[in-house]
Amino acid sequence: GAVVSQHPSWVICKSGTSVKIECRSLDFQATTMFWYRQFPKQSLMLMATSNEGSKATYEQGVEKDKFLINHASLTLSTLTVTSAHPEDSSFYICSAPIPLGQSWSSYNSPLHFGNGTRLTVT
Amino acid sequence: SQELEQSPQSLIVQEGKNLTINCTSSKTLYGLYWYKQKYGEGLIFLMMLQKGGEEKSHEKITAKLDEKKQQSSLHITASQPSHAGIYLCGADLTSGTYKYIFGTGTRLKVLA
Repeated sequence: GAVVSQHPSWVICKSGTSVKIECRSLDFQATTMFWYRQFPKQSLMLMATSNEGSKATYEQGVEKDKFLINHASLTLSTLTVTSAHPEDSSFYICSAPIPLGQSWSSYNSPLHFGNGTRLTVT
Repeated sequence: SQELEQSPQSLIVQEGKNLTINCTSSKTLYGLYWYKQKYGEGLIFLMMLQKGGEEKSHEKITAKLDEKKQQSSLHITASQPSHAGIYLCGADLTSGTYKYIFGTGTRLKVLA
């Protein structure tokens, strides 16, 4: 079964509103999570690293005031797209690694992805 | 320029044919993943390669990691329409942080 849950799977919002996307690790604690964005017919682009208890680290070119990341607990990271515009419409996906030092043999791999969120801004 | 390049970008093959997708890194690879995806949907984990020379197979898909060449290949034998989709390689270029970046993607279409 899934070890990383992402919610919602899709959302439609009006221009100017904010949208929050949640990423949860289900049965392990994730001190770090990663957020990606995917445009149509393109690959996944790393946006930021979410760090539990500290500020997120953003990749070059990603506006931190636009894409607010909060990693308030060891199992939850949220991405808030603020004042959304149609150009923010995209597929957003998170990932969470099994913590270093913890066995991941029962998980098939040490890194797990959510199922993604399709955001449409009208 | 892209740190992780995939080739070809797209591929159309007849059902039953074999095919190979390559993933080349401009930096040292510390682990490489292969995923399959349909745009707008989640990633389907295929394989993880961690050691140079490592080769793994699952059903009709085989992946190899050539650490010296900083390259991985994914080979599909006797392709089927169910193999169609976008294949993505993802690599950890920063030694164990799981901060993965992804290749440019290869769009595969299999004609029945």
